[in-house]
Amino acid sequence: KNQVEQSPQSLIILEGKNCTLQCNYTVSPFSNLRWYKQDTGRGPVSLTIMTFSENTKSNGRYTATLDADTKQSSLHITASQLSDSASYICVVPMEYGNKLVFGAGTILRVKS
Amino acid sequence: DVKVTQSSRYLVKRTGEKVFLECVQDMDHENMFWYRQDPGLGLRLIYFSYDVKMKEKGDIPEGYSVSREKKERFSLILESASTNQTSMYLCASSWAVTTEAFFGQGTRLTVV
Repeated sequence: KNQVEQSPQSLIILEGKNCTLQCNYTVSPFSNLRWYKQDTGRGPVSLTIMTFSENTKSNGRYTATLDADTKQSSLHITASQLSDSASYICVVPMEYGNKLVFGAGTILRVKS
Repeated sequence: DVKVTQSSRYLVKRTGEKVFLECVQDMDHENMFWYRQDPGLGLRLIYFSYDVKMKEKGDIPEGYSVSREKKERFSLILESASTNQTSMYLCASSWAVTTEAFFGQGTRLTVV
């Protein structure tokens, strides 16, 4: 079954600290994996897209990693800011069926 | 920048009303999608369209219909709104399912 599972479900950290969010997927065949950030009451915004051949990709303080062998990805946030408080969603497209498979998301709250 | 615009941020409708949610994209994307998002359930696909006048059911099409008369516009229709359709509705568009999907800002629909 094509699935995307994220952990933890929610996370609270202090401002300035680092954190890592996890994503495991079983979607096959694999083409790419995306991380989205969704602020409360808003639509998701793309942070990064990782293809099969990419191991690491950075977007400012966000660094995503991908291990296509173990079908795992992580999103590392460095020196967190209050504005990082959001839901982070891992998404893998399913080529057959023209669909996106969404994880349930990790809700991150950054406290001052 | 790609823009996906949803016609309303917030809507309140009465049970039994016919409701139209409009979505417009400005990047000539082939694919357009309608999702609903509920706490703990993540994003679930209602319908998608891969061309003008073409549509396919997603995972939860019951109680909804769609219309795509022009490439840039994709409408979601609730034929007879019910309270269990209270949700956040998100529209998205992309060139293909394997390319980046861009989301609208969301419509928070409340059916009373």
